[in-house]
Amino acid sequence: SAVISQKPSRDICQRGTSLTIQCQVDSQVTMMFWYRQQPGQSLTLIATANQGSEATYESGFVIDKFPISRPNLTFSTLTVSNLSPEDSSIYLCSVDRGDQNIQYFGAGTRLSVL
Amino acid sequence: SQQGEEDPQALSIQEGENATMNCSYKTSINNLQWYRQNSGRGLVHLILIRSNEREKHSGRLRVTLDTSKKSSSLLITASRAADTASYFCATDAGGSYIPTFGRGTSLIVHP
Repeated sequence: SAVISQKPSRDICQRGTSLTIQCQVDSQVTMMFWYRQQPGQSLTLIATANQGSEATYESGFVIDKFPISRPNLTFSTLTVSNLSPEDSSIYLCSVDRGDQNIQYFGAGTRLSVL
Repeated sequence: SQQGEEDPQALSIQEGENATMNCSYKTSINNLQWYRQNSGRGLVHLILIRSNEREKHSGRLRVTLDTSKKSSSLLITASRAADTASYFCATDAGGSYIPTFGRGTSLIVHP
């Protein structure tokens, strides 16, 4: 398993501002993932973050809106920029330890945009 | 899309009863996984079943896979109030190493 620390756990932000979410893993991992989970919905993959390279974004998500950093093998950040009420969601980071594609998740960040 | 679809969307039972939830998917898979999400928390991996397996057990959990019907079921026996959570199936297929999640089943177990 993996211990993943994600923060903040929740935040309330004003429209037009940005929120940066941090994800810290207790061991080195190659792949880190960022998901969005809208209320009552499934998880939607935003992007995959590899250390030392640009993140790979899924269809419908762009770097200008969701910039990601991956400075080392244990840490990543996701910024949600120019916030609007439609960005209100839970944001989750996860890692793949190379164990049959099992993903280990952080506790999530609940974002509310006013 | 490879996304699995869980059924039912919501399930309410009494403690001690069994809970069964189903997952259907559209194309051939490598693996199918079940995850649990407690309210306000991240997802926790429960069990993985490979495409060449038909049944797996883990404690009070029993998972079946029918690749001919492209479906899986998760059975929780002797449910407890602590089993109250959302349950998601996730599938991966082909060369993709990233599982795709369904919409989930919300389970409420009444004490």
